[in-house]
Amino acid sequence: AQSVTQLDSQVPVFEEAPVELRCNYSSSVSVYLFWYVQYPNQGLQLLLKYLSGSTLVKGINGFEAEFNKSQTSFHLRKPSVHISDTAEYFCAVSETFRGNEKLTFGTGTRLTIIP
Amino acid sequence: EAQVTQNPRYLITVTGKKLTVTCSQNMNHEYMSWYRQDPGLGLRQIYYSMNVEVTDKGDVPEGYKVSRKEKRNFPLILESPSPNQTSLYFCASSYGRGINTEAFFGQGTRLTVV
Repeated sequence: AQSVTQLDSQVPVFEEAPVELRCNYSSSVSVYLFWYVQYPNQGLQLLLKYLSGSTLVKGINGFEAEFNKSQTSFHLRKPSVHISDTAEYFCAVSETFRGNEKLTFGTGTRLTIIP
Repeated sequence: EAQVTQNPRYLITVTGKKLTVTCSQNMNHEYMSWYRQDPGLGLRQIYYSMNVEVTDKGDVPEGYKVSRKEKRNFPLILESPSPNQTSLYFCASSYGRGINTEAFFGQGTRLTVV
């Protein structure tokens, strides 16, 4: 089974500063990787996804992530954060097992933007 | 508007009283699933369904039931809720299968069992 590790449970960042949220996964096969964002009292919304091709993936709201196969990482970055980026961020890997297209999630990183 | 709708958003119930959380999607997705979200544990899959009348257990199915009689609906049933089922629940749907595995999530149902 796949696993996803988000080492940082909370990340405080000053407004307009850059941020990187780390994600590592375990897998011996090809994977699909995702970052989802959860704003307060809302469901999860897709930020970006890596399916194949270019290892640098751009998503919504100025976020991007880089797939690094040798390091089994998929870190999320933004060059300049805004107050509205305050949310919880989940890294996820897609796994197919007995026909089940399951998303395995990390434990989440709470991003807090400091004015 | 494409969406996944869950009801209710908030629910407080007592131990042992059967309840159902409804989930409906309007995107004609074949694949639907239920997750629970707990602090420090992320989201864990409870049950999933690959199509009408096809359901199977996820990682944490104990104490839950599901049914898929229609493509658009996938209710989650707690026959005898217990306090350890207090959690935030999400329904998700997708086309499934490889490149279309982007999941669309409902707004969540916060369940408290006392």
